[in-house]
Amino acid sequence: EAQVTQNPRYLITVTGKKLTVTCSQNMNHEYMSWYRQDPGLGLRQIYYSMNVEVTDKGDVPEGYKVSRKEKRNFPLILESPSPNQTSLYFCASSLAGEHEQYFGPGTRLTVT
Amino acid sequence: SQQGEEDPQALSIQEGENATMNCSYKTSINNLQWYRQNSGRGLVHLILIRSNEREKHSGRLRVTLDTSKKSSSLLITASRAADTASYFCATERGNTPLVFGKGTRLSVIA
Repeated sequence: EAQVTQNPRYLITVTGKKLTVTCSQNMNHEYMSWYRQDPGLGLRQIYYSMNVEVTDKGDVPEGYKVSRKEKRNFPLILESPSPNQTSLYFCASSLAGEHEQYFGPGTRLTVT
Repeated sequence: SQQGEEDPQALSIQEGENATMNCSYKTSINNLQWYRQNSGRGLVHLILIRSNEREKHSGRLRVTLDTSKKSSSLLITASRAADTASYFCATERGNTPLVFGKGTRLSVIA
């Protein structure tokens, strides 16, 4: 089944404790992206990647890192999480060009 | 850099009625897409309309695009309770990534 998977789905952590949210897709998509969704603010893009070893900042990249060493994986790294990074995070992927994005199920992160 | 703005923010209708949501954007685009999100879940792609298209249909969905007014509308006909969700428009421009609006929350009351 074609899908985007994220792990973990729920995470409660403390300020400053490094964490990684994994994202994997099995559709051989070139393009992958991370979004965060907050009430009243809609979806805001954090980072995106057009292909392996190519990553770019989105609208809200501060406090986040990503890597794209393999085509199927695009982990989101929070080196030192802070409470303002409490949010619902989505990974998405698509073919290059004008194609729809496929979204993962989301990761709800709480930083205390 | 939020480009699409949906209107209204929230909409409540009776089952069987039609629901219309609008999206306005600021710059020229290659295409405009509509997505649906059930509460707290991942977004699901509904329909993509290219800048040279004016209208597109998919089942009970009808999307129009007016590039001169920089606006699009999504019409859901004969709505059902299962259509209750948030609906987002997203615009694609050149090689830049999709930019999403803040969404319209649709409630369909049985």
